[in-house]
Amino acid sequence: AQSVTQLGSHVSVSEGALVLLRCNYSSSVPPYLFWYVQYPNQGLQLLLKYTTGATLVKGINGFEAEFKKSETSFHLTKPSAHMSDAAEYFCAVSEIPGGSYIPTFGRGTSLIVHP
Amino acid sequence: NAGVTQTPKFQVLKTGQSMTLQCAQDMNHNSMYWYRQDPGMGLRLIYYSASEGTTDKGEVPNGYNVSRLNKREFSLRLESAAPSQTSVYFCASSEALQGAGYGYTFGSGTRLTVV
Repeated sequence: AQSVTQLGSHVSVSEGALVLLRCNYSSSVPPYLFWYVQYPNQGLQLLLKYTTGATLVKGINGFEAEFKKSETSFHLTKPSAHMSDAAEYFCAVSEIPGGSYIPTFGRGTSLIVHP
Repeated sequence: NAGVTQTPKFQVLKTGQSMTLQCAQDMNHNSMYWYRQDPGMGLRLIYYSASEGTTDKGEVPNGYNVSRLNKREFSLRLESAAPSQTSVYFCASSEALQGAGYGYTFGSGTRLTVV
């Protein structure tokens, strides 16, 4: 069975500082991994995804994430935070053929950006 | 703009009342999903429809029913609303169930309060 753990329900950074949002997963088969972003009063929007191939994936708005199989992690980073990055971020895992395709979502991490 | 449309955006119900949440997508996707989002709980799958004519239970189906009216539309019905069903409800779609492994498109949500 697949599961996702997001460390920290809230992360606070200063504008211009590094953003690091942590995600660890468990999966019985090779996973597909996702980060979604949710701005206030909106639905979720796909930020980036890992399926196969290069383990460092780049997404929208300058975010990137690295799939580390040995650490079962898929942490989200951005070199320099912007005020507009303040939002809720969700990590999700989906098991490719052999498991359940439907993603399991983490509980979310709220990113707070201070001026 | 192409996407997933949910109606209504807001609703207040009294305990015991019934209502139907509507969802329509115009991307010719085969699979559709209903999630609920509660603080600190992430997204939990209520029901999904892998293709027109099929529906299946998700993680938290009790108290809900669904109808896949056609390829475009997937409705969620609360027959007798309870305060525990106060939540934000999201509809999502993907090209196919297997396509869920490539990411969803979400609607903007319905905020439901049961008093």
